[in-house]
Amino acid sequence: DIVMTQSPDSLAVSLGERASINCKSSQSLLYSSNNKNYLNWYQQKPGQPPKLLISWASTRESGVPDRFSGSGSGTDFTLTISSLQAEDVAVYYCQQYYNLWAFGQGTKVEIK
Amino acid sequence: QITLKESGPTLVEPTQTLTLTCTFSGFPLTSGAVGVAWIRQPPGKALEWLALISGTDDKRYSPSLKSRLTISRDNSKNQVVLTMTNMDAVDTATYYCARRGNSSPGAFDIWGQGTMVTVSS
Repeated sequence: DIVMTQSPDSLAVSLGERASINCKSSQSLLYSSNNKNYLNWYQQKPGQPPKLLISWASTRESGVPDRFSGSGSGTDFTLTISSLQAEDVAVYYCQQYYNLWAFGQGTKVEIK
Repeated sequence: QITLKESGPTLVEPTQTLTLTCTFSGFPLTSGAVGVAWIRQPPGKALEWLALISGTDDKRYSPSLKSRLTISRDNSKNQVVLTMTNMDAVDTATYYCARRGNSSPGAFDIWGQGTMVTVSS
């Protein structure tokens, strides 16, 4: 089984500042046949289902603000919010689909 | 408009079998690229993927829960059903169904609102 580990578990960032969330997988998520990383990022606000933000590690979904970006390859990935807005307060999850599906434990983002 | 909606009991007793239904609309579940998954979330905890069925009836299960889960579909009703046997208090969670779209093979792009299931006697 592939284990996904996020860090930190929570972080508090001032409005307008950068927030970075790390995600590490227990094995590489890079598929050699297509050179794609099988890694997604989701945002979950209180009382709501998760929302897909980024697929293929770095491809933003339609309608997702460009302050959200994904990077990384292999086993180490990062979700960056370049300028935190009040509406970005949420829990963020990474998820692999290299071998079945598995989520990280989540990172809670709050306003400092 | 694509929608998914979960339904089922809100309370089940320990050792009972849980049956949840996901009723979807706005997309056909007829190709291998498209699927419907079940994911759960205990209160205050992380998401856990449970099972997925594709439009070609390919079924995948979480290894840790495989012996307890069965996923099936009824295309005539646009429904996907999940059964989980031998329910326990640790299975108390919000259960979501979600669509795996054809743009990315592993991304759940549309989710239902979820249904809360409590396991208690």
